[in-house]
Amino acid sequence: QSVLTQPPSVSGAPGQRVTISCTGSSSNIGAGYDVHWYQQLPGTAPKLLIYGNSNRPSGVPDRFSGSKSGTSASLAITGLQAEDEADYYCQSYDSSLSASVVFGGGTKLTVL
Amino acid sequence: EVQLVESGGGLVQPGGSLRLSCAASGFTFSSYDMHWVRQATGKGLEWVSAIGTAGDTYYPGSVKGRFTISRENAKNSLYLQMNSLRAGDTAVYYCARTTVERDFDYWGQGTLVTVSS
Repeated sequence: QSVLTQPPSVSGAPGQRVTISCTGSSSNIGAGYDVHWYQQLPGTAPKLLIYGNSNRPSGVPDRFSGSKSGTSASLAITGLQAEDEADYYCQSYDSSLSASVVFGGGTKLTVL
Repeated sequence: EVQLVESGGGLVQPGGSLRLSCAASGFTFSSYDMHWVRQATGKGLEWVSAIGTAGDTYYPGSVKGRFTISRENAKNSLYLQMNSLRAGDTAVYYCARTTVERDFDYWGQGTLVTVSS
């Protein structure tokens, strides 16, 4: 079980908007730690998509946006494209136990 | 251009050891915290270890006492010594760099470790 909870899968038609949630607790997201998002295309390494809750690295389209509230965060993708089909992971830090870096279990996005 | 290139993966028997390396280039290696993250086939990402710029190290409970992360700044290299390997350690191991915001902004291509008899 991952410390951060994501839906296993989401889907949408081209052009639509989808959101992926990332639910944590008072020891990670709720403690004020930033949330970061990664996109992993099949057979490749993860790629940073959103950092610091809502910031896009250079080169990431503005179709991707992130937000955080309380103990949860969300990734939104607008104008869905076939090339967006991938696995998406959220990541934060946790102050409990021995785990410092924590990831969500990942969400498979299917473009219908 | 920032590059991280892992090596050292392979097939090892349960209880055995393996040392992974990560060669860094394109940035001032000594100025960044570095991590190892693994991913079992078809599974999610799991953080394995971290080393700070001062050499401070961090591990999750699943590998603490078995894995040792180290760095050699003069060689721009990161290492992961893995001992007492188990079947559950089978995964692709990625090295990754973190920024001051503690996101992983660059990742290597990964190296596959298979623990099997």
